Amino acid sequence: GDSVTQMEGPVTLSEEAFLTINCTYTATGYPSLFWYVQYPGEGLQLLLKATKADDKGSNKGFEATYRKETTSFHLEKGSVQVSDSAVYFCALSDQGAQKLVFGQGTRLTINP
Amino acid sequence: DAEITQSPRHKITETGRQVTLACHQTWNHNNMFWYRQDLGHGLRLIHYSYGVHDTNKGEVSDGYSVSRSNTEDLPLTLESAASSQTSVYFCASSTRGGGGTASRFFGPGTRLTVL
Repeated sequence: GDSVTQMEGPVTLSEEAFLTINCTYTATGYPSLFWYVQYPGEGLQLLLKATKADDKGSNKGFEATYRKETTSFHLEKGSVQVSDSAVYFCALSDQGAQKLVFGQGTRLTINP
Repeated sequence: DAEITQSPRHKITETGRQVTLACHQTWNHNNMFWYRQDLGHGLRLIHYSYGVHDTNKGEVSDGYSVSRSNTEDLPLTLESAASSQTSVYFCASSTRGGGGTASRFFGPGTRLTVL
């Protein structure tokens, strides 16, 4: 079945550092790919998405590019802030299924 | 403003008791989903519904049931609570169609403890 694998956390960085959180997927069709963010004590919020190969999703300084050849959707940000501390989830949705399959989540902590 | 709410936000119950978690959305979305979140597992799908009177099992549906009598609500029932069902439960909704691209809106979660 479809699956998503994220890099193990937790990840701790200093403010203004460069961030990469790796995400790879396995799917039989042509899925849409998502990054969700969960701030402490809250539900998940959509951060960005990409619906086809080579698409780049971006929001709040975060970017991720849909790479079909490497089945990857890595999340990047050039300069992180303390307010970016959260848990980040990579997810996919098969074209016809409407369901989301999540990775295990990566906890990110940014120190001032 | 449209929203999705869950109640209660926190619940402590005993093994063997029946528990119902409420989910209410005012987005008028056709699709609704229940997930549980456990450390090391991310979010796993319990049940989902594509419309009124439609319900489907997800990957971890054993011990849970749902019913959809209207568009706004999808209550999740634990028939006989077990300690393995201690978790944080999230409800979500999305529009119909979009080929899987429709974004999900998540509720704030319910933390359930089964003693």
